[in-house]
Amino acid sequence: GQQVMQIPQYQHVQEGEDFTTYCNSSTTLSNIQWYKQRPGGHPVFLIQLVKSGEVKKQKRLTFQFGEAKKNSSLHITATQTTDVGTYFCAGRGSGAQKLVFGQGTRLTINP
Amino acid sequence: DTEVTQTPKHLVMGMTNKKSLKCEQHMGHRAMYWYKQKAKKPPELMFVYSYEKLSINESVPSRFSPECPNSSLLNLHLHALQPEDSALYLCASSQILSGGADTQYFGPGTRLTVL
Repeated sequence: GQQVMQIPQYQHVQEGEDFTTYCNSSTTLSNIQWYKQRPGGHPVFLIQLVKSGEVKKQKRLTFQFGEAKKNSSLHITATQTTDVGTYFCAGRGSGAQKLVFGQGTRLTINP
Repeated sequence: DTEVTQTPKHLVMGMTNKKSLKCEQHMGHRAMYWYKQKAKKPPELMFVYSYEKLSINESVPSRFSPECPNSSLLNLHLHALQPEDSALYLCASSQILSGGADTQYFGPGTRLTVL
């Protein structure tokens, strides 16, 4: 079945440093979504990417969808303590009914 | 209103108990989901309802029984659970099951402990 791999599993940075998490699918995706889960919280939708090569920005966050629609990345510029949490990618295979979540990248920040 | 509500927030139950988790949304969404999440793991899909009909059952043990009484409500009935079923149970909804309108809105979850 479809698999979505996400790396790294953990990332610890100093406040102000950049952070990137990568997501790779075993199959071509129709779309990819990113969610953030704060410690003790629930996943919150950040963004959806649909088009090949798509790049979207939300303030300090930049999301990319690969040309082959099999990989994606989330880059945070100049991290802040409010960025702490686990970032999940979730992809839907072409024609598939369900969203498959990556394992998540847990971001911790040293203030 | 972009809120999915879940009750109770916490639940402790014995292995012989019967309990139910409840989920509600008033966004007019026609797809609703139950996920199970263990610590430091991603949400694991259990069930999906689309237009009040069960569309996906991820081979979940029968001690978990979902119910969708109407388009706004989703229940998860629990019976004879095991300690390893202790987890955060998340409900989510989306406009529809697939296509471009499948962004999922998660509720705050019910933290379940089985003794």
